Amino acid sequence: DTGVSQDPRHKITKRGQNVTFRCDPISEHNRLYWYRQTLGQGPEFLTYFQNEAQLEKSRLLSDRFSAERPKGSFSTLEIQRTEQGDSAMYLCASSPRTNTGELFFGEGSRLTVL
Amino acid sequence: GENVEQHPSTLSVQEGDSAVIKCTYSDSASNYFPWYKQELGKGPQLIIDIRSNVGEKKDQRIAVTLNKTAKHFSLHITETQPEDSAVYFCAAMVTGGGNKLTFGTGTQLKVEL
Repeated sequence: DTGVSQDPRHKITKRGQNVTFRCDPISEHNRLYWYRQTLGQGPEFLTYFQNEAQLEKSRLLSDRFSAERPKGSFSTLEIQRTEQGDSAMYLCASSPRTNTGELFFGEGSRLTVL
Repeated sequence: GENVEQHPSTLSVQEGDSAVIKCTYSDSASNYFPWYKQELGKGPQLIIDIRSNVGEKKDQRIAVTLNKTAKHFSLHITETQPEDSAVYFCAAMVTGGGNKLTFGTGTQLKVEL
């Protein structure tokens, strides 16, 4: 399967713990996006990378959140000192160099903070 | 920033009937309007999209229309089947920059036998 891959698919953690999600985009896609989706809502933009450069961050991305894409391939999203309000589905998407606008989403990583 | 509103939030149709979902957007600079289908526990999957230089686009049983003047666009599904049951999201974007999609709140479509 050559789609966007996310790991882990599910994560249950206690409040105050740190969690990290990984995203492997479609090969050769130079843009990578993180979105957050809460129950009953559409995905909300968090941040995006072009190659290894993080070009935009949403105000939703508090200082407890950090995203990296060190070699312009896979990306990680870390949440420090998790809060119950962080419980959501974290979606990764990638798009090709042709920049047509089409985003290809992964299956998501569901976070539950107890 | 962009704001996308989507209606209805839930839609129940009989198998074989048509379904229509409507969205409005606020940013006149938006020029790309995709529709995504999301099944339970999965990520959104693109089903059809339309660009601002086109008024209508069709792909088999699904079609999308765009009215730039009124800033609204619609998804039409004909001859609905049980496998069409899912949550559908509209979205809007200005291409050429960050390609940041703004999504609507979703429509839960249920196709009943």
